[in-house]
Amino acid sequence: QVQIVQSGAEVKKPGASVQVSCKTSGYSFSSYGMHWVRQAPGQRHEWMGWIHAGFGNTRYAEKFHDRLTITRDTTARTAYMELGSLRSEDTAVYYCATNYHDSLGYNDYWGQGTLVTVSS
Amino acid sequence: DIVMTQSPLSLPVTPGEPASISCRSSQSLLYSNGNNYLHWYMQKPGQSPQVLIYLGSNRASGVPDRFSGSGSGSDFTLRISRVEAEDVAIYFCMQALETPWTFGQGTKVEIK
Repeated sequence: QVQIVQSGAEVKKPGASVQVSCKTSGYSFSSYGMHWVRQAPGQRHEWMGWIHAGFGNTRYAEKFHDRLTITRDTTARTAYMELGSLRSEDTAVYYCATNYHDSLGYNDYWGQGTLVTVSS
Repeated sequence: DIVMTQSPLSLPVTPGEPASISCRSSQSLLYSNGNNYLHWYMQKPGQSPQVLIYLGSNRASGVPDRFSGSGSGSDFTLRISRVEAEDVAIYFCMQALETPWTFGQGTKVEIK
């Protein structure tokens, strides 16, 4: 079965960077994209960016464009999200998510979420 | 960006009674292939979102048939025919027509 397992919680100081990983199994990783979404306390979900796991091309939300990098390692079947210049407003749960159609129908999978706390 | 607006934001329901949540988008989510790129999710505390309905009206695998989705264009509805205690959660809509994906504020369904 499909599994998406994210790295553990992080506590960072303002100005630092954080990297969250998203390790997958059970589906054709390189055939589909991976999105990154976050949810800050009391806020709606917010899309951050996307990578096609096979081709490696990316798309970022305008507000993160200068401090967000999404990469992937196809051998490790893992996607990565790195957010720099952290500020307190970046405190949130970060999710990776993939959705796609295949011969079995519609598939939609999210990682378990990674809490990133930014605090001095 | 497409703005998603849900209502109500809080929905107390008696078990066994129906519930209905509205989601409106600032532009049509109907693509030229005839699909509406609107998904509904349930999220329980401490858990990641779980898709209930995809492309406006298709129930995802394993989702109980008391959940249904309807609508087209920019006006969508999630219905629960008979609410059960296990349905207590936050429900939100998400548009996947274009990036950035955008999300509704979420509707908190609770038992009266």
